[in-house]
Order: sequence, then C-alpha cells, then structure tokens
Amino acid sequence: KNEVEQSPQNLTAQEGEFITINCSYSVGISALHWLQQHPGGGIVSLFMLSSGKKKHGRLIATINIQEKHSSLHITASHPRDSAVYICAVRGPWDSNYQLIWGAGTKLIIKP
Amino acid sequence: KAGVTQTPRYLIKTRGQQVTLSCSPISGHRSVSWYQQTPGQGLQFLFEYFSETQRNKGNFPGRFSGRQFSNSRSEMNVSTLELGDSALYLCASSFEGNTYEQYFGPGTRLTVT
Repeated sequence: KNEVEQSPQNLTAQEGEFITINCSYSVGISALHWLQQHPGGGIVSLFMLSSGKKKHGRLIATINIQEKHSSLHITASHPRDSAVYICAVRGPWDSNYQLIWGAGTKLIIKP
Repeated sequence: KAGVTQTPRYLIKTRGQQVTLSCSPISGHRSVSWYQQTPGQGLQFLFEYFSETQRNKGNFPGRFSGRQFSNSRSEMNVSTLELGDSALYLCASSFEGNTYEQYFGPGTRLTVT
C-alpha cells in the first residue's frame, strides 16, 4: 500500500461543477502540500498546510490530521483548471524525510 | 524575480551516452532539488542540494549525479544512458529546503533512443 493515496485517479466534470480531490496518508506528517501540474509539465505549488483550511481564490484545501486526510476543492470549475493535482506529505519537523508524493489526480473540466 | 530556468528544454540522446542538465534557481534560493517524472510513475526524488552540499538522495543508481555551484546553480548528470531514463526531469528551488514551498522549473524532456 502506498503511503500517500489520492482519489480519484481521473475526474472529468462540466464547467461550473464543484470539484473535490482527496488525499489520504498513512504516516505521521508535519505538513501537506498540494501542487498543480499543467499539460507540458509546469508544476505550481498551491498550498502547504499543517492544520485546518486554506483558501486561495476558487481553491480551498482542508486537512484533518487525526483522520490523516486532506481534500482540495475547486469551486465554479473552469476548463483552465484542467491539470494533474498532486499531494505530497512531509514527515515530522525534526526528521530528514523527503516528501512522499501521491500519484496525482488528472482533472478535466469540459466547457 | 525571474523563475526557475532549466536548460535545455528538450534533448535526444542515444543509449550509452551521457547527459548534463542545468538548473538556475530563483535568486536567493539555496536549495535545488531534482525529480524524475515518467508516465504513470509520478514524481521520483533524485537529490537535493543545499548551499553546495548534497543534503538528501533518492533511490537512483550511481549513474545519476549532481552538483551545485556557489551561485546555487545546479547540474545533473546521467552517465551511460538507458532507454528507461527517458523522462521529464524537473528541478525545484526553495529558500529553506524542499519540504517547504518549492518553485518548479519547466523541466527538461529527455528522450533516449
């Protein structure tokens, strides 16, 4: 079993729909990252969070440390949101662990 | 501030050759990390350099090596190329280290024939 699991692997939705992408992990963490990779390869860091919720524009990320689960939500989705969304977790602050990467969720938003 | 730049963007090599990829981080960033991305595999961590020292290394064979210069620019070298080395190679820079916020370059697409 992978230490970081994302679901769904693929998601196709219509423009305007509310999107939820999930990330579950099995290790103790100090922080969780959400990143976005557009076709062509460019990766952009969206959020780094340790607790609670963060919002940036139409994107919302939440994390529940007790349940070892995070969600990325996109409100009023748009075709330009089509990308692969990746979560990655960081081990405890005093560790030297590398980020553990999820496999990504490929999102397609149809106009 | 200029973003992370990688050169070259595309490269075609044949088996057995060696290749050197370059990454220029954001000005002031001390950490440069390298990742390999192949279809279906996700991002695989290669190594991280911080202030010219290799701080962490992933599970890749010794054919993969890197270095960082005093201006934080980094190079990655792959010797004796294999077909399986065909991938997108991404570098990312960070001020504090790669478990904090990273800024990714556009990647170098390496094709080994």
